[in-house]
Amino acid sequence: KNEVEQSPQNLTAQEGEFITINCSYSVGISALHWLQQHPGGGIVSLFMLSSGKKKHGRLIATINIQEKHSSLHITASHPRDSAVYICAPIIQGAQKLVFGQGTRLTINP
Amino acid sequence: DAGVTQSPTHLIKTRGQQVTLRCSPKSGHDTVSWYQQALGQGPQFIFQYYEEEERQRGNFPDRFSGHQFPNYSSELNVNALLLGDSALYLCASSQLSTGPSGYTFGSGTRLTVV
Repeated sequence: KNEVEQSPQNLTAQEGEFITINCSYSVGISALHWLQQHPGGGIVSLFMLSSGKKKHGRLIATINIQEKHSSLHITASHPRDSAVYICAPIIQGAQKLVFGQGTRLTINP
Repeated sequence: DAGVTQSPTHLIKTRGQQVTLRCSPKSGHDTVSWYQQALGQGPQFIFQYYEEEERQRGNFPDRFSGHQFPNYSSELNVNALLLGDSALYLCASSQLSTGPSGYTFGSGTRLTVV
């Protein structure tokens, strides 16, 4: 079993829909990144959170450390949100990330 | 303020050859971590460098080696290339004090082994 499980692996939606991507992990963590990767490879950290909820524009990330679960939500989705979204927990006591397999999101106009 | 710069962006190598990938960290960052991302997979940790020494290593064979220079830039070397080494190689820099919470990623080097 992978240390980090994301669902769904692929998601196609229409512009304007509310999107939810889930991440579950089995290891102890200190915090967690939600990353966005566009075609071509570059990765951008959208959020780094260790508790509760963070919001940035149309993006919202939540985490429940006790339940080992985090979610990324996109409100009023837009075709430019199409990308791969990766959950990446920071292993407690370590200086490295573990990564989920990613969720490929496609938003159609 | 330049972010993380990786070079080259793409390259093609033949099985058995050796390759060197380069990473310049974000200004103010002193730690460089390397990751391998196979197609359709999440990145896998290769190793991390700080103060010119390898601090941590993932589950990669000795064919993968690295170096960090006094200016904090880093190289990843892969010897005796295999077809399975074809992947996107990502570099992430940070400050040791912040660790992965302060990661900045490069755009990656896409290596194709034929």
